[in-house]
Amino acid sequence: AQSVSQHNHHVILSEAASLELGCNYSYGGTVNLFWYVQYPGQHLQLLLKYFSGDPLVKGIKGFEAEFIKSKFSFNLRKPSVQWSDTAEYFCALESGGGADGLTFGKGTHLIIQP
Amino acid sequence: DGGITQSPKYLFRKEGQNVTLSCEQNLNHDAMYWYRQDPGQGLRLIYYSQIVNDFQKGDIAEGYSVSREKKESFPLTVTSAQKNPTAFYLCASSMVWDRLTYEQYFGPGTRLTVT
Repeated sequence: AQSVSQHNHHVILSEAASLELGCNYSYGGTVNLFWYVQYPGQHLQLLLKYFSGDPLVKGIKGFEAEFIKSKFSFNLRKPSVQWSDTAEYFCALESGGGADGLTFGKGTHLIIQP
Repeated sequence: DGGITQSPKYLFRKEGQNVTLSCEQNLNHDAMYWYRQDPGQGLRLIYYSQIVNDFQKGDIAEGYSVSREKKESFPLTVTSAQKNPTAFYLCASSMVWDRLTYEQYFGPGTRLTVT
């Protein structure tokens, strides 16, 4: 069975600080990887995704993530955060081969202080 | 305006009652999913359906039931057998092509409180 681990449950940063949220997964086969964000009071929405190809993927709002297969990792990064980035961030995995649903990490609650 | 609608936004029930949560999508997506979100637990998959009249159990299906009679609709029933039904329930859908799926789109959620 697959699993996703997010290292930090709560992160507090000041505006303009750099961000890196860790995500590791456990699965031996082909994976599709996602980062979703849940802003306060809003729908869960996709930040970025990795299916194949270039392991460095860029998403919306200046976010990027790097897939490192040897480390089973898919860390999320942003060089300079803004107050509006305050949200809950979820890393998710889909094992390749079908629409069988996503396996989510437990989430990281990010608070950006102005 | 395409998207996923879930109703109601808030739902209150007494213990021992079954309750059905609605999920409708007009994205023409083949696959639909139900997740449960609890604080500090992330999202966990309850049931999913890749095609009309077919569905599969997810990781935490006990105490829940679903139906998929129409492509656009995937209602979830929380039965009295579910031991901890109070949670935030999220419905999602995705396009499927040649058994490959694309990203999932999520609805606004229904917060169920059972007392």
